[in-house]
Amino acid sequence: GAVVSQHPSWVICKSGTSVKIECRSLDFQATTMFWYRQFPKQSLMLMATSNEGSKATYEQGVEKDKFLINHASLTLSTLTVTSAHPEDSSFYICSAKRAAQSPGLAGGPTDTQYFGPGTRLTVL
Amino acid sequence: GQNIDQPTEMTATEGAIVQINCTYQTSGFNGLFWYQQHAGEAPTFLSYNVLDGLEEKGRFSSFLSRSKGYSYLLLKELQMKDSASYLCAGMDSNYQLIWGAGTKLIIKP
Repeated sequence: GAVVSQHPSWVICKSGTSVKIECRSLDFQATTMFWYRQFPKQSLMLMATSNEGSKATYEQGVEKDKFLINHASLTLSTLTVTSAHPEDSSFYICSAKRAAQSPGLAGGPTDTQYFGPGTRLTVL
Repeated sequence: GQNIDQPTEMTATEGAIVQINCTYQTSGFNGLFWYQQHAGEAPTFLSYNVLDGLEEKGRFSSFLSRSKGYSYLLLKELQMKDSASYLCAGMDSNYQLIWGAGTKLIIKP
């Protein structure tokens, strides 16, 4: 249980284009999903928190018009990097926190975040 | 301010035991998480402590002392596949995770 998928796993794009990354919770409903960015040999950096049906909450310094987040359902959140530039190249990881109504998942408390496999973005 | 401190890197021998320490300062406290992250991969959940004491789960155990703002992850019978970064994260009063920078564990034969 507690499987989170991300698509695509990696993407290479030209500068100025937009890239959409999907995050899905496959076997549970997620009221809250998180988007992180991680640069090589650095810690996870939270970009934004998204709740189903409402606007995402962005961390300080993260441009909401550049990183568009849509949490359309209890199992899907998308991150769109608009007008990507080389400095946006990074490892983007989503995580999901299960809804209270979901069947219990063995091995973790209610507030455990389960991570997707990540998306490696390279902007040329 | 909120802060998580853990060693940057540790080295241990295959078959041995290693303890990775973590101290935390959070605004309120709703638990302490440990995650494992292999190079190039996303983190995977290892353990959660919210009460004082030791939680054992197979070869891995996690300990918490709330009064000391301290936790450790204990790995026994180390295997080469345990080479990874281990992330400590404290959950604050808003249920936000405050992440440490991670401890890179190197296992030698």
